[in-house]
Amino acid sequence: DIQMTQSPSSLSASVGDRVTITCRASQGISDYLAWYQQKPGKPPRLLIYAAFTLQSGVPSRFSGGGSGTDFTLTISSLQPEDVATYYCQKYHGAPPTFGQGTKVEIK
Amino acid sequence: EVQLVESGGGLVQPGGSLRLSCEASGFTFSSYSMHWVRQAPGKGLEYVSAVGHAGALTYYADSVKGRFTISRDNSKNTLYLQMASLRTEDTAVYYCTREMGNWMYYDFWGQGTVVIVSS
Repeated sequence: DIQMTQSPSSLSASVGDRVTITCRASQGISDYLAWYQQKPGKPPRLLIYAAFTLQSGVPSRFSGGGSGTDFTLTISSLQPEDVATYYCQKYHGAPPTFGQGTKVEIK
Repeated sequence: EVQLVESGGGLVQPGGSLRLSCEASGFTFSSYSMHWVRQAPGKGLEYVSAVGHAGALTYYADSVKGRFTISRDNSKNTLYLQMASLRTEDTAVYYCTREMGNWMYYDFWGQGTVVIVSS
């Protein structure tokens, strides 16, 4: 199975900072990658699919990039409501696999 | 408005069984593949199982293969997960999810139902 590795596992940044999370696949997955945001006690929310396509209703400060094995999720200007854990997921072929998560906090 | 409402979770002893249900509304249920994804306490997300829109195609994670059975009743807009031979490591929040675009990623999630396997 393809493994997904996220870095860092957690980060702390100030409001307004640019934040980047990295996700690496153990094999090439083209652009079959999604990103989710999960706030405490809530189910995950789809942010991005196809590596860079923003899901409807997601603020434009979120963006995705990458292809093949290396991907990024960027928050251009961190807001207090962005405090959450973020997961990447590859979905080309079964099983779909998630990264271990990156917890984002406000400094 | 799309809604997915899970039920059936609870406390069960190791080796026991449980059936989860997910009632869907707000969309044409029979047109979508559906999945179960779980999250152990304080841990990340883990794919569990999937079923095609007609119910004929199913997929299972290796960790639950042979113990869990996914099914659906399109006349009732309901997804099921029959869990048997439960282990302590099956303890988790179980989410019902809707597959988007015929690819295994999820545009809608239920609120989850908690399964605790403990003696």
